[in-house]
Amino acid sequence: EAEVAQSPRYKITEKSQAVAFWCDPISGHATLYWYRQILGQGPELLVQFQDESVVDDSQLPKDRFSAERLKGVDSTLKIQPAELGDSAMYLCASSSDRAEAFFGQGTRLTVV
Amino acid sequence: KQEVTQIPAALSVPEGENLVLNCSFTDSAIYNLQWFRQDPGKGLTSLLLIQSSQREQTSGRLNASLDKSSGRSTLYIAASQPGDSATYLCASSNWANNLFFGTGTRLTVIP
Repeated sequence: EAEVAQSPRYKITEKSQAVAFWCDPISGHATLYWYRQILGQGPELLVQFQDESVVDDSQLPKDRFSAERLKGVDSTLKIQPAELGDSAMYLCASSSDRAEAFFGQGTRLTVV
Repeated sequence: KQEVTQIPAALSVPEGENLVLNCSFTDSAIYNLQWFRQDPGKGLTSLLLIQSSQREQTSGRLNASLDKSSGRSTLYIAASQPGDSATYLCASSNWANNLFFGTGTRLTVIP
């Protein structure tokens, strides 16, 4: 069964360092999402891609976060510099045209 | 902005009980309503998707209903099992396919 792949599963980094997460969506899914989930809360959208184009990054802290999906397939989310408040689960999801969204296993980030 | 609320925040039931989880949303102009399950430290697993033109969807012991006019959805779990213990999240999507999540209901099924 096709899955959304994310790596790494866990990441510990010191504050002020750079960190990057990778996501490979289900083949053929044009829409890719990055969500951040703080413990005990629901996921919140950081950025949404349609193919290689950003369609919504209104909640992305652009002074330190960047996201790209250069060929409209896999995607990278970067944080530089990381802050203590960035500790969270980072979830990637994909969907085809307004259909069911499928999530990866997430990357648990701890900033120390 | 769409606001999604889930009640209760936590629920404990004995094994075998039927239960209902509630989800409400402020903007009825939704495209889909999706229910997810999340185990501790893991990603989200899609359970059911209800399109805006539908009233309900069923999968095994799960039944989800949607009432757009009142801004509500419910997830019914029949004959609950300890393996059903998890956090259940609902999410509405708009025309741009943005997903708006509630904070979830943490379910514990006691053997």
